[in-house]
Amino acid sequence: KNEVEQSPQNLTAQEGEFITINCSYSVGISALHWLQQHPGGGIVSLFMLSSGKKKHGRLIATINIQEKHSSLHITASHPRDSAVYICAAHFDFGNEKLTFGTGTRLTIIP
Amino acid sequence: EAGVAQSPRYKIIEKRQSVAFWCNPISGHATLYWYQQILGQGPKLLIQFQNNGVVDDSQLPKDRFSAERLKGVDSTLKIQPAKLEDSAVYLCASSRTGGVGYTFGSGTRLTVV
Repeated sequence: KNEVEQSPQNLTAQEGEFITINCSYSVGISALHWLQQHPGGGIVSLFMLSSGKKKHGRLIATINIQEKHSSLHITASHPRDSAVYICAAHFDFGNEKLTFGTGTRLTIIP
Repeated sequence: EAGVAQSPRYKIIEKRQSVAFWCNPISGHATLYWYQQILGQGPKLLIQFQNNGVVDDSQLPKDRFSAERLKGVDSTLKIQPAKLEDSAVYLCASSRTGGVGYTFGSGTRLTVV
C-alpha cells in the first residue's frame, strides 16, 4: 500500500532554531515534493526531488532512496515560516498522482 | 511564468444549490488536477486530466460532482446539489508530464450553509 508518513505532527520552536521535519514512505517512489501551506492560503511547492539534496535560501531538502526517507530542514527559522509543511510522493513511475502525508504544523515563536 | 489561476476565491452557498469553480493551468502543462481539502486534512484528489481526457476520477462523487476540460486547457468543477459536507477548499494544480513543475492554485474556499 502506498503510504506517506510525516513527523512530527506539530512543532513549536523559537525564532532562530534549526527545524527538521521528517517524511517516510512505504515503497519505492519516482519523486517526492515538499509543500508549504499558510493558514487560509494555497499550497506552494518548495521542492521536488528524486535523489540527493536541494537547497533554496534557508530551506534544505534531502532524500535517501534506500531508506525511503526525506527531510526538510529550515535554518535560522523565522515566524513567517509558520505554516503546514506537507510531503507528497509520486509512487507510480510515469504517473503524476500524488499521495500526501498528513502534514506538520510548524509554529515559530518570536 | 504565471501561476495556476482559480476563481472565485471564496463562495458561500446554501445546501442543495449548485456551484462551479474555474481553473486555468500554467501554459503548456498537460496534466490538471482538482483536489478537495477539508479543514485539518490533506488534499484528496477528485479528478486528474491529461490534456482533455480523464486519467483518474475514482474519488469523484459522480452523483453530484462533475468536471470538464473541453479544450485541454482550462477546466471547470461543478457541484450540484451541494451538501454541507462539501464545505472545503477546492485546489486546482497542474504539471508537465511526470509531475515536473507541479504547481497549485490558491484554491476556492467553499462554505455550504
